[in-house]
Amino acid sequence: AQSVTQLGSHVSVSEGALVLLRCNYSSSVPPYLFWYVQYPNQGLQLLLKYTTGATLVKGINGFEAEFKKSETSFHLTKPSAHMSDAAEYFCAVSYAGGTSYGKLTFGQGTILTVHP
Amino acid sequence: NAGVTQTPKFRVLKTGQSMTLLCAQDMNHEYMYWYRQDPGMGLRLIHYSVGEGTTAKGEVPDGYNVSRLKKQNFLLGLESAAPSQTSVYFCASSYDRIAGPYSNQPQHFGDGTRLSIL
Repeated sequence: AQSVTQLGSHVSVSEGALVLLRCNYSSSVPPYLFWYVQYPNQGLQLLLKYTTGATLVKGINGFEAEFKKSETSFHLTKPSAHMSDAAEYFCAVSYAGGTSYGKLTFGQGTILTVHP
Repeated sequence: NAGVTQTPKFRVLKTGQSMTLLCAQDMNHEYMYWYRQDPGMGLRLIHYSVGEGTTAKGEVPDGYNVSRLKKQNFLLGLESAAPSQTSVYFCASSYDRIAGPYSNQPQHFGDGTRLSIL
């Protein structure tokens, strides 16, 4: 069984400040990890993903995340927040093989607010 | 390129009524999924399909039925709507066989259907 925990349902930062959104996962098999962003009244868009290889992955809009197996974490960061980053962010986990079929288990979501 | 299209976008039902939500994708994807999104709970998988004519239960399937008669369409039905089914419903698709293993391919989401049950 897999689960995802996002620490902090709301995160508020100032424009230009570091963005850090935390995600921890639980999985009995090697995980595939994803971050999605949801803008108001829209569907989810993929920000970045980790499947295999390099543990630091870069995504769109200047975001990146690092897979740390020892800490079972996949935190999302951006060096300098922009007003347009205000949205809800979801961490999700999947795995390869068996009856996975790409099914995702999502965290509860973190709403990011960016102040001028 | 439309991607994943959901209809309708909004709907209000009375308790006990039935309705069908339609999802259509134009990416020739093999897999399709229905999720519901509730505040503070993320997205939860209702049903999914790994190919035309096949469906399977997800995490929260009770009260819902699905059908995939054509590869590009995935229907979600509520036979007797209940207030607990008030939610935002998202359809997603993934896995283009030509592009490689499904595990490397992300899901593509529609814009959602906002459903209220009174």
